[in-house]
Amino acid sequence: GQQVMQIPQYQHVQEGEDFTTYCNSSTTLSNIQWYKQRPGGHPVFLIQLVKSGEVKKQKRLTFQFGEAKKNSSLHITATQTTDVGTYFCAGPLGTDKLIFGTGTRLQVFP
Amino acid sequence: NAGVMQNPRHLVRRRGQEARLRCSPMKGHSHVYWYRQLPEEGLKFMVYLQKENIIDESGMPKERFSAEFPKEGPSILRIQQVVRGDSAAYFCASGLNPTGGRTEAFFGQGTRLTVV
Repeated sequence: GQQVMQIPQYQHVQEGEDFTTYCNSSTTLSNIQWYKQRPGGHPVFLIQLVKSGEVKKQKRLTFQFGEAKKNSSLHITATQTTDVGTYFCAGPLGTDKLIFGTGTRLQVFP
Repeated sequence: NAGVMQNPRHLVRRRGQEARLRCSPMKGHSHVYWYRQLPEEGLKFMVYLQKENIIDESGMPKERFSAEFPKEGPSILRIQQVVRGDSAAYFCASGLNPTGGRTEAFFGQGTRLTVV
């Protein structure tokens, strides 16, 4: 079936280090979205990428959509403790239902 | 500008009882998604609805689970005869009609269901 996978599953970094999570879909996506879920919280929409090869930045966060529109990445520069949480990619599949990736849990040590 | 409202936030049910989870989408949103999240795990798609219509229920268990989004009122996720394995956080999200590529979803705070 259609799947959206993310690696790594967990990442522990020292504050100030960079962090990257990768997202791969088994099928081409019309767009890719990224969400952040803080521990005990709910997913919060961060951004949507639509175009092949698109790159968007939000302060220390850089999002990229692959040329084939099947993969994406989120890079955080100089992590802070406020970046702690699980980052999910998501894409509309089939009937436009939104399917989430497996998530990458980021832990930042001060 | 109220966001997605889910209630109750926490629900405790004994095995065999029914659980009803409610979700009011954001104003202007015509589509609702339900997801289940087990502790330390990802968001598993359950069902995708628009008003009075189930678009995709491929993630719903065949038995005991049902969902609706009536013309008036909130979307309801109903779990009959709950079992311990149903204990999870259930998130509702709403979005615009995806025509035109606007598919981003806005989540409620979830209902934490505990079956004892």
